[in-house]
Amino acid sequence: GAVVSQHPSRVICKSGTSVKIECRSLDFQATTMFWYRQFPKKSLMLMATSNEGSKATYEQGVEKDKFLINHASLTLSTLTVTSAHPEDSSFYICSASRTGVEQYFGPGTRLTVT
Amino acid sequence: GQQLNQSPQSMFIQEGEDVSMNCTSSSIFNTWLWYKQDPGEGPVLLIALYKAGELTSNGRLTAQFGITRKDSFLNISASIPSDVGIYFCACPTGANSKLTFGKGITLSVRP
Repeated sequence: GAVVSQHPSRVICKSGTSVKIECRSLDFQATTMFWYRQFPKKSLMLMATSNEGSKATYEQGVEKDKFLINHASLTLSTLTVTSAHPEDSSFYICSASRTGVEQYFGPGTRLTVT
Repeated sequence: GQQLNQSPQSMFIQEGEDVSMNCTSSSIFNTWLWYKQDPGEGPVLLIALYKAGELTSNGRLTAQFGITRKDSFLNISASIPSDVGIYFCACPTGANSKLTFGKGITLSVRP
């Protein structure tokens, strides 16, 4: 149990376009979902925390108008990178928690902005 | 802020050897989590520890929650090539249980 999926696994987009990444908890209901960004050879950097039906809580320095998070149900959260630029290229990972303690991570989405 | 310290950054062992990794902090945590991340993948939860002094196994992996609640270790016995990856310790804190992560230890296993 505790499987989290992400879609797409890889995406290449042109500068100025928007990209949506989906995160789904497949076999449990997630009280909270998290979005992370990871740079090469670095640990995960939390971008935002979202609870179903509520506005996401963004970490300091993360632009909420650029990284739009929607947590529509207990099994689905989406991250939309708006007006993407090359510096937004990164590995984006979501996680979901059912107990509020352990987090189960998705497989990640590699975003490349050209 | 709260920090989790993992060192060294990289470890190199021979297949079949045992390896131990530590995670320490100057702060007290009530839960310790160990994750493994393969290249290009998300982290996978290996072991969760909830009680000081707790010793938990998952196959060839054993982890312990330090009695002071300021440290934890992860042991891998009889290592195999697929043990290669980055091992992170993490502790949930705060209302939404945001995770504080260690910087990770990259494990290499020589066949």
